[in-house]
Amino acid sequence: SYELTQPPSVSVSPGQTANITCSGDKLGNKYVSWYQQKPGQSPVLVISHDSKRPSGIPERFSGSNSGNTATVTISGTQALDEADYYCQAWVSSAVVFGGGTKLTVL
Amino acid sequence: QVQLVQSGAEVKKPGASVKVSCKASGYTFTSYDINWVRQATGQGLEWMGWMSPNSADTGYAQKFQGRVTMTRNTSTSTAYMELSSLRSEDTAVYFCARGDRGPSSYFDFWGQGALLTVSS
Repeated sequence: SYELTQPPSVSVSPGQTANITCSGDKLGNKYVSWYQQKPGQSPVLVISHDSKRPSGIPERFSGSNSGNTATVTISGTQALDEADYYCQAWVSSAVVFGGGTKLTVL
Repeated sequence: QVQLVQSGAEVKKPGASVKVSCKASGYTFTSYDINWVRQATGQGLEWMGWMSPNSADTGYAQKFQGRVTMTRNTSTSTAYMELSSLRSEDTAVYFCARGDRGPSSYFDFWGQGALLTVSS
C-alpha cells in the first residue's frame, strides 16, 4: 500500500524557517494537502493543492511538491506554530495521511 | 459560518456497535462529501471513508470494509458513522470532515471530534 513518510520531529528557532517534508513514490504527480493540529484540537487545513493557502491562514505558510517530496514551509516561525503537521494525498480511491511531524519552536 | 457538530463521548464494550453523528450547518449539506477520520491517543490521523450526502454513495478504507457504515439524513443535515464489532483498538477520537473525494481532495472543515472508549 502507498505510504507517505514524514520526519517524526522538526525543531526551529523563533523567527527562522521551518521545512517539513512528506515523501512518497511519485508524490509530485499527486495533489498534497497539509493540516496543523494542536493538542486537544481538531486538525486545521493550512495548505491544499500543494501550495494553496485557505482563507485565514497566514502568508508565512507555503507549500511545494515535486518529484517524490512535498514540503510545507513556515517562514518566520512563531511560537504559536508549534503543533503536529500531517500531509495527505488521494491514492487509488483512498485518502492517505502521513504519520505526522511534531514541530517544536525553541 | 460552516460548522460540523458531533455527538458526545461514548463508552462501549467489546463486540458492541457505536453510531457517531455529525450535524452540518452554514452550507448546503448535499454539496460536499463527509469523510470520517480517527485518531488514537498519541497517534496519527487514520482515514476511514467518505459518504456523499447527495447520492448516499460511500467509499470505505479497506481496513474498515465490512465493519463501518456511513449514512446521512438530508432533512437534518446530519451524517452518521456506525462501527461494529468494536475492539479495544478502536478506542480513539473520531472526526468528521467536509471534503470531496478525488485527486484534489482536501478537508476544509472538521468536527470537534467524538471520543470512543472500548473497554470491558
